[in-house]
Amino acid sequence: GESVGLHLPTLSVQEGDNSIINCAYSNSASDYFIWYKQESGKGPQFIIDIRSNMDKRQGQRVTVLLNKTVKHLSLQIAATQPGDSAVYFCAEWDRLAFGKGNQVVVIP
Amino acid sequence: NAGVMQNPRHLVRRRGQEARLRCSPMKGHSHVYWYRQLPEEGLKFMVYLQKENIIDESGMPKERFSAEFPKEGPSILRIQQVVRGDSAAYFCASSPDSASTPPDTQYFGPGTRLTVL
Repeated sequence: GESVGLHLPTLSVQEGDNSIINCAYSNSASDYFIWYKQESGKGPQFIIDIRSNMDKRQGQRVTVLLNKTVKHLSLQIAATQPGDSAVYFCAEWDRLAFGKGNQVVVIP
Repeated sequence: NAGVMQNPRHLVRRRGQEARLRCSPMKGHSHVYWYRQLPEEGLKFMVYLQKENIIDESGMPKERFSAEFPKEGPSILRIQQVVRGDSAAYFCASSPDSASTPPDTQYFGPGTRLTVL
């Protein structure tokens, strides 16, 4: 079946280092992808999005890369801070399909 | 401008009881989405509503679950005769206009954690 999923369940990163979170999707027709951040006990928060006609998009300290050939999406967080500790998950917007999430733990 | 509000934040019910979850969208938002998040699972879309209308309920279980968004008051997700498998976090999100609204204007509430004993 079609699914959106993340490769690594937990990522521990030293404060100040860069973080990379990966996501694979299986629906080649998906056109619009989003990354969300979810802190413990809170609802998801939109981080950044990307359309299928792009392969890279940058925000504040975050970059999303899209590789349609291999149906892969990644989120890069630059200079990771303690406040970045959270679960991050990707989503296919047009299907409202969400990945399970990848826990990022920032080590001070 | 208050964000999306959900209450209660935590709800405990015994098997067979009813659960009512409330969602007050952001001011000016007329579209509400409900999602369910099982432990260690991704968000699952349940239902999308506008004021007084259900637009898409394709993710809603056929039995025991219902949702409404009346003209006045919050949106309500109602689960009748709850079972242990209903234990999950239920999130709602609101947006001003879904037809042309990108996800960066869809705001999530803090969720209601339902525990069925």
